[in-house]
Amino acid sequence: DTGVSQDPRHKITKRGQNVTFRCDPISEHNRLYWYRQTLGQGPEFLTYFQNEAQLEKSRLLSDRFSAERPKGSFSTLEIQRTEQGDSAMYLCASSLAGTGSTEAFFGQGTRLTVV
Amino acid sequence: AQSVAQPEDQVNVAEGNPLTVKCTYSVSGNPYLFWYVQYPNRGLQFLLKYITGDNLVKGSYGFEAEFNKSQTSFHLKKPSALVSDSALYFCAVRDINSGGYQKVTFGTGTKLQVIP
Repeated sequence: DTGVSQDPRHKITKRGQNVTFRCDPISEHNRLYWYRQTLGQGPEFLTYFQNEAQLEKSRLLSDRFSAERPKGSFSTLEIQRTEQGDSAMYLCASSLAGTGSTEAFFGQGTRLTVV
Repeated sequence: AQSVAQPEDQVNVAEGNPLTVKCTYSVSGNPYLFWYVQYPNRGLQFLLKYITGDNLVKGSYGFEAEFNKSQTSFHLKKPSALVSDSALYFCAVRDINSGGYQKVTFGTGTKLQVIP
């Protein structure tokens, strides 16, 4: 395991359907972050976990979005009743807290298209 | 509130020439600064960071960045551009007292096009 992996890489769904994305962080990293990136923009923070605890959620994370990290390892991001405005790249990142490490490492992202 | 500005949407440079991608920032305290690169349909790859110490930071793939506190800038540089450097570059910042990485703010990105 040499990096953050995300699955699937691409997802096309019809409006109103539910979708779930998975992120596997770097194995020794205890922090995991979800971001959304739309065309022409940088990543926008959605939420993050330290181990299994979800410590912060952005106002961008509407009630239709939920994220889990049940065992402090992989995480899932679910979007219910998808809307066209949810079309974006969803990025996951991980980092190691408490050792002075300051940067996070990103996965390749899941590109969601809602039609 | 902290912010990052990347004033150029796109930078074109000839292969072999030096390149500069500009970034200015605003934080209330002292900054942590980062550069990431993103290739098409890929995630972000970490290039380099400034935490403290030398103002000139060296990173991956021959890139470096210079921290200038008085100008609140952190421009990315490379002495000789390669066609393979063509990608989208993001500058990011957080205040060192603001908490963890979740407090990082990203710029809107600069597309670098290296012309053969």
